[in-house]
Amino acid sequence: KAGVTQTPRYLIKTRGQQVTLSCSPISGHRSVSWYQQTPGQGLQFLFEYFSETQRNKGNFPGRFSGRQFSNSRSEMNVSTLELGDSALYLCASSLAGSGTVGYTFGSGTRLTVV
Amino acid sequence: AQRVTQPEKLLSVFKGAPVELKCNYSYSGSPELFWYVQYSRQRLQLLLRHISRESIKGFTADLNKGETSFHLKKPFAQEEDSAMYYCALRGGSQGNLIFGKGTKLSVKP
Repeated sequence: KAGVTQTPRYLIKTRGQQVTLSCSPISGHRSVSWYQQTPGQGLQFLFEYFSETQRNKGNFPGRFSGRQFSNSRSEMNVSTLELGDSALYLCASSLAGSGTVGYTFGSGTRLTVV
Repeated sequence: AQRVTQPEKLLSVFKGAPVELKCNYSYSGSPELFWYVQYSRQRLQLLLRHISRESIKGFTADLNKGETSFHLKKPFAQEEDSAMYYCALRGGSQGNLIFGKGTKLSVKP
């Protein structure tokens, strides 16, 4: 079965712009989590959605937001981009929102802010 | 505060040597612990879960609650084991994973 699909793979944006990233989880998975990966801070949790509801949120400013649709696909949005937002954004899905069975990660979207 | 510490940024060993990647955590309750691996140009993938007590690709990890550690071990390293290894914790009912900064394992021929 298809894995977690993230689009686009690469993005270049200018400071001040906004961006939307997309994640399609594995079929049947209802939980989608987003992580930011940078060389300095490593992997940091952004938010998690389960059945269209945000269940958990990390320590990121309000410029970072997300949503989940009825088909479990998720989008994250970053408004008023800053240079420091340059990172690899990873999406992970799991079957029922329980971390016990582990998460399946996508390949990520590499965002560069110039 | 919940925290995962991987003290070694880089670990270099020769093929056939034993490997131990260290992971210490800080969590007041009963955590769920994982090891994830990222091979070059591949996505992050789950290697081990403490709850399943399994051995994957020759790797094992034992949760030591007294020492709050979850070290990853393999008796004989192979060149194909070269990758970034991340220890992660999931605490309580929250779904998110807290990752360590990762250890780059390099296995030399």
